[in-house]
Amino acid sequence: GQQLNQSPQSMFIQEGEDVSMNCTSSSIFNTWLWYKQDPGEGPVLLIALYKAGELTSNGRLTAQFGITRKDSFLNISASIPSDVGIYFCAGQLGNTPLVFGKGTRLSVIA
Amino acid sequence: DADVTQTPRNRITKTGKRIMLECSQTKGHDRMYWYRQDPGLGLRLIYYSFDVKDINKGEISDGYSVSRQAQAKFSLSLESAIPNQTALYFCATRPAGGNTDTQYFGPGTRLTVL
Repeated sequence: GQQLNQSPQSMFIQEGEDVSMNCTSSSIFNTWLWYKQDPGEGPVLLIALYKAGELTSNGRLTAQFGITRKDSFLNISASIPSDVGIYFCAGQLGNTPLVFGKGTRLSVIA
Repeated sequence: DADVTQTPRNRITKTGKRIMLECSQTKGHDRMYWYRQDPGLGLRLIYYSFDVKDINKGEISDGYSVSRQAQAKFSLSLESAIPNQTALYFCATRPAGGNTDTQYFGPGTRLTVL
């Protein structure tokens, strides 16, 4: 089945550093979503993007819908220990089910 | 109360047993989904349903079946469990159409097949 290429697979960063992760696809989407999964929990929506070129922020998180509609990135500024978790991107075209990336596992060293 | 609930949260079973995982939602969403999560593989779609009379296969439906008993309930069955079905299973719901087309997940069921 179709999958998104999400990178990096894992990251170890110092508290206070900025983080950047991205997703790319060979096909276009008209919705991009970013989720975070805490240990033992289901993914929780962070940011939804609906328009090519759109840049949206949610606190220290910023995400962009790529202009080609084939990519998206998520930035986290000034990381803190509670940012630890797995981050997933997801894309959707029309009424089709969401397609998920394989996730980026973020570890924050205090 | 949680909007999307899953039962059980954890289950250990033996090869060949029939298992049912249940999902209920209070969000009033039409669309419901079952995913499995394996380390390093992300979320893979098993089955999905757009309403009570609608069932669709996802990417990895073999070995699974589903039942949409009501708008609020969507259950996943493993007719004869096998060890490689050991995984974390998530139910999700989504509203139909509009710009609120985002998906909400339950807390997950950890299934171990021995």
